[in-house]
Amino acid sequence: DIQMTQSPSSLSASVGDRVTITCQASQDISNSLNWYQQKPGKAPKLLIYDASYLETGVPSRFSGSGSGTDFTFTISSLQPQDIATYYCQHYNDLFPYSFGQGTKLEIK
Amino acid sequence: QVQLVQSGAEVKKPGASVKVSCKASGYTFTAYYIHWVRQAPGQGLEWMGWISPNSGATKYAQKFQGWVTMTRDTSISTAYMELRRLRSDDTAVYYCARVNGWELPRGAFNIWGQGTMVTVSS
Repeated sequence: DIQMTQSPSSLSASVGDRVTITCQASQDISNSLNWYQQKPGKAPKLLIYDASYLETGVPSRFSGSGSGTDFTFTISSLQPQDIATYYCQHYNDLFPYSFGQGTKLEIK
Repeated sequence: QVQLVQSGAEVKKPGASVKVSCKASGYTFTAYYIHWVRQAPGQGLEWMGWISPNSGATKYAQKFQGWVTMTRDTSISTAYMELRRLRSDDTAVYYCARVNGWELPRGAFNIWGQGTMVTVSS
């Protein structure tokens, strides 16, 4: 199975800060990586698909990059409504569609 | 609008089974694979498997093989996930989610159900 190692597990930042989360795959997954935002009591919401494509309707302050084994998710200017837990997820029919452990983002 | 609406919360005793439904609307049900994901209280997301609403083909995570069954009823655009021999650590929110790719199992989950809380307790 492919293991997804996401870091940090928690993060505290100020409004307006640039925030970066990383996700490392245990083997090459090309660009088969998605990023989700989950707020308490809600279903996850797709933000970025195929490593770098912004889902329709998602603010442009969210972005993703990377390929192979190393991926980065960035919020260019943190807003109060961005407080949530963020998950990376790989997809590949040969392996389970595993998620990273999640990054809980809080306002400082 | 495109949406998935799941059945309501369930409370089950250990050893029982639960069947969660996921009704699709606003799009062609048979054109997009449905995945199931669960989340134990305070924990992360765990992928369980997928079903092709068109063919009924399924793929389960190894952990759930022999223990979960995913089915669908195309006449009412509804997918189902049944989990048997429930244990207390199966207590979780169960989500259905639709893939963003036409007739492909792989991709991003761009539409999610609201989640169904399943509590397993004696």
